[in-house]
Amino acid sequence: RKEVEQDPGPFNVPEGATVAFNCTYSNSASQSFFWYRQDCRKEPKLLMSVYSSGNEDGRFTAQLNRASQYISLLIRDSKLSDSATYLCVVNLSNRDDMRFGAGTRLTVKP
Amino acid sequence: NAGVTQTPKFQVLKTGQSMTLQCAQDMNHNSMYWYRQDPGMGLRLIYYSASEGTTDKGEVPNGYNVSRLNKREFSLRLESAAPSQTSVYFCASTIAGGASNEQFFGPGTRLTVL
Repeated sequence: RKEVEQDPGPFNVPEGATVAFNCTYSNSASQSFFWYRQDCRKEPKLLMSVYSSGNEDGRFTAQLNRASQYISLLIRDSKLSDSATYLCVVNLSNRDDMRFGAGTRLTVKP
Repeated sequence: NAGVTQTPKFQVLKTGQSMTLQCAQDMNHNSMYWYRQDPGMGLRLIYYSASEGTTDKGEVPNGYNVSRLNKREFSLRLESAAPSQTSVYFCASTIAGGASNEQFFGPGTRLTVL
């Protein structure tokens, strides 16, 4: 079993749609959680950290469920510019040891 | 600020050749990382350096060596390249190691080993 698993997609949605991605992790001792965004043939960039209480940044909402060991990302009112691959990232401990999911590809269409 | 820079952007090697991938950051970050990204695999940590003079193995260190030359620079060396090392290599840095800090990535090096 992979340490971080994501649905690879692709998710094809129309503009204005709401879309949700889930990510599961295997290590219950994981400390920190993030969503990164990666555009085609570009480097990953931080989209948002995921906090235990859940957090929102504009149209993006991240949730953490420690009991079930999954995190989620909700995108409301999708824009064409949201088309990218979304990477779930988990830090296994206090060490510098990040584990990346393989990514979920999103395409927003007009 | 340039952020994280990597050279070269592209490289083609023959099996058995050696090369060094260069990475530098100008953000005064303490921790630096090397990842490889393969289709369907996500990014996998090769080596990291929590501070100048220290390096540690990540998830997939075999076939690689690293040098933290100073606070700014962290190089990755392939001593005898193999086709299995064909990948996109990303360098990253963060202000301090540990659980909660954002990693900033370089633009990547696309390496093909024939």
